Amino acid sequence: GDSVTQMEGPVTLSEEAFLTINCTYTATGYPSLFWYVQYPGEGLQLLLKATKADDKGSNKGFEATYRKETTSFHLEKGSVQVSDSAVYFCALIVGSARQLTFGSGTQLTVLP
Amino acid sequence: GAGVSQSPRYKVAKRGQDVALRCDPISGHVSLFWYQQALGQGPEFLTYFQNEAQLDKSGLPSDRFFAERPEGSVSTLKIQRTQQEDSAVYLCASSSQDRAYEQFFGPGTRLTVL
Repeated sequence: GDSVTQMEGPVTLSEEAFLTINCTYTATGYPSLFWYVQYPGEGLQLLLKATKADDKGSNKGFEATYRKETTSFHLEKGSVQVSDSAVYFCALIVGSARQLTFGSGTQLTVLP
Repeated sequence: GAGVSQSPRYKVAKRGQDVALRCDPISGHVSLFWYQQALGQGPEFLTYFQNEAQLDKSGLPSDRFFAERPEGSVSTLKIQRTQQEDSAVYLCASSSQDRAYEQFFGPGTRLTVL
């Protein structure tokens, strides 16, 4: 079946540090890939997406590149802020399916 | 505009009770999804509607779980004879016809079964 594996958290960084959250996937078909973010007390929000190999999704300073050869979609940000503290979920949709398959989430805490 | 809303936000039930969880999707969104999120885990798919038709219910964990969307808008997830393992956050999401990949999530209903 389809699955997503994320690096285990929690991750704690100082403000302005570089962030990488690893995500790899297994899919029976050709997936579209997503990063969702859940801020404290809020619902899940789409952060960025990529729908084909070598696409780079970007938003709010975050980036992720769809790497088919390594089945990965790692999330990066060059300089994190305290306001980036949240739980980050990697997810995929395969083919004509409509439902998202999520990883287990990575808790990020950024300290001032 | 208004986002996806869910009610109640918190629900405590005694084991064996029936519960009903409501979802109001974004107006005009044809697709509606229910997910279950256990503590410390990612959401897991339960069921999917397109308008009033339930096209996929493969994620419902047992026949105690039932979902409906009779008029293609508001949806209700019903759990009969609740068990402790049903304790989780239940998330609703909706998406539009032309941007089906972008699901908008509600804040969830946290269900605790004692």
